[in-house]
Amino acid sequence: AQTVTQSQPEMSVQEAETVTLSCTYDTSESDYYLFWYKQPPSRQMILVIRQEAYKQQNATENRFSVNFQKAAKSFSLKISDSQLGDAAMYFCAYRRFQGAQKLVFGQGTRLTINP
Amino acid sequence: DGGITQSPKYLFRKEGQNVTLSCEQNLNHDAMYWYRQDPGQGLRLIYYSQIVNDFQKGDIAEGYSVSREKKESFPLTVTSAQKNPTAFYLCASSTGQFSGNTIYFGEGSWLTVV
Repeated sequence: AQTVTQSQPEMSVQEAETVTLSCTYDTSESDYYLFWYKQPPSRQMILVIRQEAYKQQNATENRFSVNFQKAAKSFSLKISDSQLGDAAMYFCAYRRFQGAQKLVFGQGTRLTINP
Repeated sequence: DGGITQSPKYLFRKEGQNVTLSCEQNLNHDAMYWYRQDPGQGLRLIYYSQIVNDFQKGDIAEGYSVSREKKESFPLTVTSAQKNPTAFYLCASSTGQFSGNTIYFGEGSWLTVV
């Protein structure tokens, strides 16, 4: 079974600075998808960014980018120019390429932005 | 507007009662999911359905039941067999035909045992 591990329960960063959230995963499959979701205090789960394992190029979405290291099974999220609205729980998630299309989540990292 | 609607937002259950959480989507998605979130923790899969009239157990299905009689609806029943049901419940959906497609989430339902 696939597992996802986020080793940082909490992180904090100064507004306008850059922060990196870590995620590692375990799988025996070669094709899969990885996601970062944001959960603000409203509890709504919002997709931040996704990465296809067959793509070597790291995904980027505006101020959000990932560092995908397939051999190391690592998938970190970098947030540049942090804003107060970025404060939330961030979850890393794994999804198989074939078979059951469910998401497997990590435990989450609570990100605090200091003004 | 298109989206996923969960109701009720807050629900209180007495010991020994069954309760049902509603999830409706108008996105024409084939697949639907139920996740449970405990305070300070990630989401764990309860049940999922990839097509009407079919569903599979997730990682923590004991004490829960579901039905999928219509494409747009996937209600979750929390039975009295669920020993610790107090949690936040999230419903989600996706097209189900392509694993790279985004899974969309509803706004969630809080269930508290009193």
